[in-house]
Amino acid sequence: EAQVTQNPRYLITVTGKKLTVTCSQNMNHEYMSWYRQDPGLGLRQIYYSMNVEVTDKGDVPEGYKVSRKEKRNFPLILESPSPNQTSLYFCASTNLISGEETQYFGPGTRLLVL
Amino acid sequence: QQPVQSPQAVILREGEDAVINCSSSKALYSVHWYRQKHGEAPVFLMILLKGGEQMRHEKISASFNEKKQQSSLYLTASQLSYSGTYFCGTPDSGNTPLVFGKGTRLSVIA
Repeated sequence: EAQVTQNPRYLITVTGKKLTVTCSQNMNHEYMSWYRQDPGLGLRQIYYSMNVEVTDKGDVPEGYKVSRKEKRNFPLILESPSPNQTSLYFCASTNLISGEETQYFGPGTRLLVL
Repeated sequence: QQPVQSPQAVILREGEDAVINCSSSKALYSVHWYRQKHGEAPVFLMILLKGGEQMRHEKISASFNEKKQQSSLYLTASQLSYSGTYFCGTPDSGNTPLVFGKGTRLSVIA
């Protein structure tokens, strides 16, 4: 079954305490991305990766880092979280094969930074 | 650049039809449509490609007007299960990441 998994699903933390949200896909997609979703703002892209060791900034990259050491994994790192990073985060994996384009979202990670 | 969706919200009775529009100020290469139910992840509905045909997902169809730089989602004979927020996403160019509209909240009532 095609799947994107994220962990943890829920996280409460304090300002400045480094955290990592993991993302994994089993579809062998080259393209993966991270979004945050906030009320009234919709889905905004944080970072994306076209392939292993290739990452690039999206619309709102400040305060985030990513890595892509393997095709299946694309973790999101918050080195020093702040309250304005409280949000719902989605990882996505995209099939870019012409004629088969589709994007799969993970279940989401709800983050609260105190 | 974020596509603009209209309307922002719509309430329908079961069986009624609705149209959701997605417009861009830039040339569109493709338009992706998603539905998100409360508390869940967005789910892919369909993709409209430049020069491609109108697409369908169950009783939901969509069209892509390149000249108007717009896509429309048509929900026919709406069902309660259609309730949710509909997002359109467009790539900035070619195979670049999707930029999403702010969404249209659809509520279908009995």
